[in-house]
Order: sequence, then C-alpha cells, then structure tokens
Amino acid sequence: NAGVTQTPKFQVLKTGQSMTLQCAQDMNHNSMYWYRQDPGMGLRLIYYSASEGTTDKGEVPNGYNVSRLNKREFSLRLESAAPSQTSVYFCASFGDSGANVLTFGAGSRLTVL
Amino acid sequence: GQQLNQSPQSMFIQEGEDVSMNCTSSSIFNTWLWYKQDPGEGPVLLIALYKAGELTSNGRLTAQFGITRKDSFLNISASIPSDVGIYFCAGQWGNMLTFGGGTRLMVKP
Repeated sequence: NAGVTQTPKFQVLKTGQSMTLQCAQDMNHNSMYWYRQDPGMGLRLIYYSASEGTTDKGEVPNGYNVSRLNKREFSLRLESAAPSQTSVYFCASFGDSGANVLTFGAGSRLTVL
Repeated sequence: GQQLNQSPQSMFIQEGEDVSMNCTSSSIFNTWLWYKQDPGEGPVLLIALYKAGELTSNGRLTAQFGITRKDSFLNISASIPSDVGIYFCAGQWGNMLTFGGGTRLMVKP
C-alpha cells in the first residue's frame, strides 16, 4: 500500500542513549518532514528535506539530526536523548504535483526516562 | 514562527449535534487544510481548500477558506461517535505547513 512507513512504533530510552527513527515513503515525493506532537501544542516541525540531498531546520531542531538517505528515506536521530524529547514523532511527505497535500506516517511514540 | 490559533481546544457534545471549529492566523496562506487524527494514528486529510472564499463539503463536513486568507472553519453536521478524535487545521505556503493546536472532539452517544 502506498504511503509513509515509520519505525519503530514504540521506543523507551534512558537519558543519554541514542536512537534513530526511520521513515520511508513510496509515493515518489520530493519533500519529507519530521514533526513532534505534544499535548496541547499541535504538530511542530523538527526538520525537513525539500529534496534529496538537502535538509533544513524547522521550528524545534535542537537535540536532533536528520539524514535524507535517498528520495525514499528520511531518518531522525537523537544523539543523546533527554526527557524533554518524550513525544510522538510523525514523519510526513509532500507531493509536488497533483493534490499537493501532506501525507503522514502512523507515528512513533518515544519515552525517555 | 507563524502561529495558528485554533478553537475551541476541546468539545464534548451529544451525538447528533453539529460542531464548528475555526482557525485564525496573523499570516496569509495559499492553502488551508483540515486533518483528523484518531488515537494511535497519524493525521489524515479531511478537506483541502485552495482558493480564498472557497466552500467545500465532504459528506457531513463543510469547510471554508476565509476571504482574507487568514482563517478557515470546519463544520461537522449531525455528529456520530466515530467523529471522536483530534482535528487539526493547517495553513500551507509552498511546501511548508503550519498547524493549529488541535480541537479534541468527544461525542456522547
């Protein structure tokens, strides 16, 4: 099924541990995004990639790094996790033709103890 | 960064009632979108609005793109239990979206 796939769905980390969230889309979209969702704060953009080979900071980039591995894949890395990074993370991709709407993955719930 | 003010933050209504929520912005957008998020899932697009003044319906949902391009509303008529979830507005400019804080809708059977 076409769409955005992100893994893992759940993860528990200890403070200071590192991890990478993986995201892949099979819609041939150029743009990909990572958001975090916290209660009452909606969706906040962490990083985005307008095209393969480019990445840019969003609203809340501190503590994160990203890699646009190829057109399909866009990963988010936490080098040294902090409790403030406990959140639900969503990957999304955007088509540059046709309907031009953002399509989301199912989310990754991360807890940092 | 840009901010979207979405209201109300939450609603607890009786099944069969109509629902209205809205978003306002200090900046203009060229597209307004409304998403719904079910528990444990990512947001799913409900309605997209591409022109100022546009009024679009999708079943029991109706949304409008404000004439000033700085606001939008979403109405749900005759609510049913499966309407429960969080509704997000989003303003789009180019390939960048800004989201409202969400409206949590709860429906009492």
